[in-house]
Amino acid sequence: NAGVTQTPKFRVLKTGQSMTLLCAQDMNHEYMYWYRQDPGMGLRLIHYSVGEGTTAKGEVPDGYNVSRLKKQNFLLGLESAAPSQTSVYFCASSQPSFRGNTEAFFGQGTRLTVV
Amino acid sequence: AQKITQTQPGMFVQEKEAVTLDCTYDTSDPSYGLFWYKQPSSGEMIFLIYQGSYDQQNATEGRYSLNFQKARKSANLVISASQLGDSAMYFCAMSGSSNTGKLIFGQGTTLQVKP
Repeated sequence: NAGVTQTPKFRVLKTGQSMTLLCAQDMNHEYMYWYRQDPGMGLRLIHYSVGEGTTAKGEVPDGYNVSRLKKQNFLLGLESAAPSQTSVYFCASSQPSFRGNTEAFFGQGTRLTVV
Repeated sequence: AQKITQTQPGMFVQEKEAVTLDCTYDTSDPSYGLFWYKQPSSGEMIFLIYQGSYDQQNATEGRYSLNFQKARKSANLVISASQLGDSAMYFCAMSGSSNTGKLIFGQGTTLQVKP
């Protein structure tokens, strides 16, 4: 059972280059998220999706775009990478719950360095 | 706006002793959830425990318990009988009443267990 899989695990980009991070989940979850983790700041939400074909902005969306064309995949794009986007990126998924107690399942993270 | 605060950047505990990691939160939502995640040095995010705002009893999961004090807006994690494998970063997180599963994270606390 793979859970949430992120591709790639590591990447080095030059300033101005573009790239796409892929997240795939095999748990049939409705909700998916992209977070970034920076030292001393915890995880911050970039974008999220509450279902196939839907996306919404999180706390720090600038410089990123997302797409959810298929329920199991959530793509995070950087059109023109900047050094400030050097971070560890986590994808997560969860299932709706009326009690709100649904845990989020996280991928292994992608370490991105922009030079 | 929702906010999570973890005031202990680093903690030490002797093996087999209990330790409390502090978490305070701020929200105007009447319904919310509180989560604790563990992040070992390998980087993955591991769900530990959940507490709902309307839950009458404090949550427990094995050696983990959540000391929920609603009036004080605190949700401290208690780890009993610490083990060397408990050495990790611990994050407190909160979800709101929007039922999107979005999480707001604290800055994290690094716990080191001494043999």
